[in-house]
Amino acid sequence: GESVGLHLPTLSVQEGDNSIINCAYSNSASDYFIWYKQESGKGPQFIIDIRSNMDKRQGQRVTVLLNKTVKHLSLQIAATQPGDSAVYFCAENGGDDYKLSFGAGTTVTVRA
Amino acid sequence: DAGVIQSPRHEVTEMGQEVTLRCKPISGHNSLFWYRQTMMRGLELLIYFNNNVPIDDSGMPEDRFSAKMPNASFSTLKIQPSEPRDSAVYFCASSLVQGSTDTQYFGPGTRLTVL
Repeated sequence: GESVGLHLPTLSVQEGDNSIINCAYSNSASDYFIWYKQESGKGPQFIIDIRSNMDKRQGQRVTVLLNKTVKHLSLQIAATQPGDSAVYFCAENGGDDYKLSFGAGTTVTVRA
Repeated sequence: DAGVIQSPRHEVTEMGQEVTLRCKPISGHNSLFWYRQTMMRGLELLIYFNNNVPIDDSGMPEDRFSAKMPNASFSTLKIQPSEPRDSAVYFCASSLVQGSTDTQYFGPGTRLTVL
């Protein structure tokens, strides 16, 4: 039968490899971006954020890259581990001082 | 340090019944958000409070939904009467907003099933 609902992009990655998750945002007024990780049965968990005055920001095993010219955001995870398996959401603020708009999410599966 | 606390974690009710979801934000945060997550629509903002005052309720689906924040440490989201299409996971999030967008921290969610 026909599937309904959001069609989430998926990424399958070998344990130990690096992962890159991409996100295209829509609002050129957005000046704050954030990545969340959501494991099954849990709430979204903050990973890393970036403001529009930066192109790159690094955390522990994660790096966020922002390309404002093409309105593109990416999350790089180094040495992907089984615990990284989850749905990853990007969010933008659309220039608002409080509201976040969330993308549909990318499902990451780590192969042992 | 306790994160955002939500209760109940799971709620099963019958159509027409009143449902009340509860949230305790992170201490010191001045902003609270209620979201709904479904497979069809993803994460949707329902309502936003700042300093206990509702600022943006444009996401509240209809009059059956109401939210209150009587003090800085407690908020409720009420659905009366509930309908099967209200079945979803409801998240509460809190943030410290000081003139610019900042990180929202989410609770574990309440999974609501309306039969």
